Amino acid sequence: NAGVTQTPKFRVLKTGQSMTLLCAQDMNHEYMYWYRQDPGMGLRLIHYSVGEGTTAKGEVPDGYNVSRLKKQNFLLGLESAAPSQTSVYFCASSYWAGGEAFFGQGTRLTVV
Amino acid sequence: QQQVKQSPQSLIVQKGGISIINCAYENTAFDYFPWYQQFPGKGPALLIAIRPDVSEKKEGRFTISFNKSAKQFSLHIMDSQPGDSATYFCAASRGGSTLGRLYFGRGTQLTVWP
Repeated sequence: NAGVTQTPKFRVLKTGQSMTLLCAQDMNHEYMYWYRQDPGMGLRLIHYSVGEGTTAKGEVPDGYNVSRLKKQNFLLGLESAAPSQTSVYFCASSYWAGGEAFFGQGTRLTVV
Repeated sequence: QQQVKQSPQSLIVQKGGISIINCAYENTAFDYFPWYQQFPGKGPALLIAIRPDVSEKKEGRFTISFNKSAKQFSLHIMDSQPGDSATYFCAASRGGSTLGRLYFGRGTQLTVWP
């Protein structure tokens, strides 16, 4: 039972490049979330999904897009990376809305 | 507007001492209050959680105290150990809504000196 798996673990991007972060969960959870973690700012919600094919904006959605084509996968896209998007990104999933969240191991992204 | 406010930002405690982290919230509709523990290089993991129908919940050395009227809750770590050194996040959410989500505090970095 892998839980929540994020790919990749590390990435360096140049300003303006695009990339997609992949999150996969094997717990059959309906709810999935993308957070970014920055020093002193805690965990800030970027986008979340309440089920396959549905997404919603969180606190800091600008510059990001998401898709949930399959229940087990939640993709986070950066169309044109900016240095302000340098952060550690965490994916999480939960069985019920607002319930216990199971986190992946994180993706450390650096935009230069 | 920050839904959950957490303090202190950092905390240094001697081994064997008591670590106390406090959180406050505004939304009285919140009905689930978890604490997460995060070690360096890892994702946060649920440590302990409480619902507002009880004032205290204890699991081993970890205790949540909950004050509904003051809209505050706190984490107490008794007999703190160096292995407890981590970042702790409080959170809150409202159940019963398909749009429910966790609102996190900004975190407390705990260091326990041996």
